[in-house]
Amino acid sequence: EAGVAQSPRYKIIEKRQSVAFWCNPISGHATLYWYQQILGQGPKLLIQFQNNGVVDDSQLPKDRFSAERLKGVDSTLKIQPAKLEDSAVYLCASTPGTIGELFFGEGSRLTVL
Amino acid sequence: QQQVKQSPQSLIVQKGGISIINCAYENTAFDYFPWYQQFPGKGPALLIAIRPDVSEKKEGRFTISFNKSAKQFSLHIMDSQPGDSATYFCAAQRGGDYKLSFGAGTTVTVRA
Repeated sequence: EAGVAQSPRYKIIEKRQSVAFWCNPISGHATLYWYQQILGQGPKLLIQFQNNGVVDDSQLPKDRFSAERLKGVDSTLKIQPAKLEDSAVYLCASTPGTIGELFFGEGSRLTVL
Repeated sequence: QQQVKQSPQSLIVQKGGISIINCAYENTAFDYFPWYQQFPGKGPALLIAIRPDVSEKKEGRFTISFNKSAKQFSLHIMDSQPGDSATYFCAAQRGGDYKLSFGAGTTVTVRA
């Protein structure tokens, strides 16, 4: 079974530029998450989708971050304009909908200069 | 605010030794407590999990101990091996919303 796919794996941008990350969850997984992991910290939830609807985006900095999930499958996370403090790994995860295991992708590492 | 507090931040153990990582939580609505293992450049992967109706769960060399009254749980890695060198995250989840709150992580280094 294919895992959660993310791209790009690495991205370096200047501050105030924009960037987009893509995630393809495991087939059939209804719930999709975007987490932000700053170096040396645990993952922090940014947004949670159930199918193509947003369940929780309370910690998403909406003035600069946006996310969508197209047709309840793939998702994109966009940052515009980027700040230095956005340097982090952006992890996508999915779950079939039962309580318990989240399946994570390998992440997209963003460096903002 | 951090809902799950994890310690220590890092630890070094000799091969064959025991690694112990502790976590504490405040929200009594949490009813699922997983541990995730993360290797450099990879996403976290579920290692072992426990529900509050049991006090201990063991899977191979990994054991979770759970103290509901103290709102604490811990991970014990027995007979630690160099391949166990990774960052370990405790987490907590409320039933029904599938949202995990992670601890800050513990980097474990096993010396051969």
